[in-house]
Amino acid sequence: KNQVEQSPQSLIILEGKNCTLQCNYTVSPFSNLRWYKQDTGRGPVSLTIMTFSENTKSNGRYTATLDADTKQSSLHITASQLSDSASYICVVSARYGGATNKLIFGTGTLLAVQP
Amino acid sequence: DSGVTQTPKHLITATGQRVTLRCSPRSGDLSVYWYQQSLDQGLQFLIQYYNGEERAKGNILERFSAQQFPDLHSELNLSSLELGDSALYFCASSVSGTGANVLTFGAGSRLTVL
Repeated sequence: KNQVEQSPQSLIILEGKNCTLQCNYTVSPFSNLRWYKQDTGRGPVSLTIMTFSENTKSNGRYTATLDADTKQSSLHITASQLSDSASYICVVSARYGGATNKLIFGTGTLLAVQP
Repeated sequence: DSGVTQTPKHLITATGQRVTLRCSPRSGDLSVYWYQQSLDQGLQFLIQYYNGEERAKGNILERFSAQQFPDLHSELNLSSLELGDSALYFCASSVSGTGANVLTFGAGSRLTVL
C-alpha cells in the first residue's frame, strides 16, 4: 500500500536553531518527492521537488535530501525564524500507466518556532 | 499571491444546503485539482480535471461534484451538506495533467456547516 509517513508529528524549537523533519515512504513506482510549507489556514506552498536521481536540493534556508534506496527524505531548516512556524507536508508522486502520476500526501509535521 | 484564485474565502451555511466553490487556475495551467482538509487532518484528494475533462477521482462523495469549464475555471458543488463537510477546500493547478509537475495551491475556501 502506498503510504507516506512523517515524523515528528509536531516540533517546538527556539528561534535561530536548526531542525530536521523526516519523511518515509513506501510508494512505488516512485516518480518524485515534494516538500510543501503550509501556514495555518493558508494553501500549501512548494519548497522543493526531487526526482529519483537527485539526492539534495536547497531553497534558501531549506535543504531537502532524498535517499531513494531507503525511501527516506528529510527537510533541514537552518537558522529558524518565527515565520517558519507552519505545517510541512511531504508528498510523494507515484507513476501509474504511462505519464500519469498519483500524489500521496503525508499528514505533515507541525513546527512551532518560539522566540 | 499564488495565481490560483478561490472564491468565496469563507462560507457559512446550514445542513442540507448546497454550495458552489469556484477556482481559477494560474495562467497557463490546464489542470485543476480539488482537495479537502478537515480540522487537523491532512489534505484529501477529491478530483482532478485536465483541459475540461475529468482525469482522476479520489475520495469524493456522491453528494459532491465538480466540473471544469472551457475557460479552465472549475467549480466544486457540495450538496445535502452535513456537519462533517465543514473543512477547508483547496484548489490547485498545474501545467500538465500528469501530476508530475509542481502543484500551485490557492488560499482555500473555508466552509462551515451549522
